[in-house]
Amino acid sequence: GQQVKQSSPSLTVQEGGISILNCDYENDMFDYFAWYKKYPDNSPTLLISVRSNVDKREDGRLTVFLNKSGKHFSLHITASQPEDTAVYLCAAGATASSSFSKLVFGQGTSLSVVP
Amino acid sequence: NSKVIQTPRYLVKGQGQKAKMRCIPEKGHPVVFWYQQNKNNEFKFLINFQNQEVLQQIDMTEKRFSAECPSNSPCSLEIQSSEAGDSALYLCASSRLGQDTQYFGPGTRLLVL
Repeated sequence: GQQVKQSSPSLTVQEGGISILNCDYENDMFDYFAWYKKYPDNSPTLLISVRSNVDKREDGRLTVFLNKSGKHFSLHITASQPEDTAVYLCAAGATASSSFSKLVFGQGTSLSVVP
Repeated sequence: NSKVIQTPRYLVKGQGQKAKMRCIPEKGHPVVFWYQQNKNNEFKFLINFQNQEVLQQIDMTEKRFSAECPSNSPCSLEIQSSEAGDSALYLCASSRLGQDTQYFGPGTRLLVL
């Protein structure tokens, strides 16, 4: 079964608004959570990541919120811009069991920021 | 920006043919991962290495797929006998020891006719 799920395949946000991307996971062993950005025909690029010992991490316009009890994490993009238009992939890993843990990805949410 | 290099960018093979793709990880990254992204945008982990040693791999990789990361040479992933279902984007990622962040290459897009 899908261990990491992005329930919204697409999202449209007005320029200047807040984009909220959501991700749910099933595996209690996951302790590393990341968001990647993927342009068409380009590789995923890491945007921001958190370990399970924090609930929130900010980096400029990006904020990751982690809800461990709900097995949910989200990416908030404030002041959304047309350049933010891309596919966003969430990913999780169980690094405590292995220092070189594979990442399990969601299927992606296609974000469109419109003027 | 990632400095992982993957070649070729595009690969077209007939069913039953071998398909080989290569990856040069970022300098100083001894851990290498291979993922397969299918047409439904689903990522599937295939195999990972620390230097030349396989750490984890899935069953599919153990049969028709072979991979290696020889010292002083690019890592490679080879499908011994390609099938139509192997058509996908194959992504290589690398990371430093003890670090979670994986840096991805541009991928090799394989089409099996």
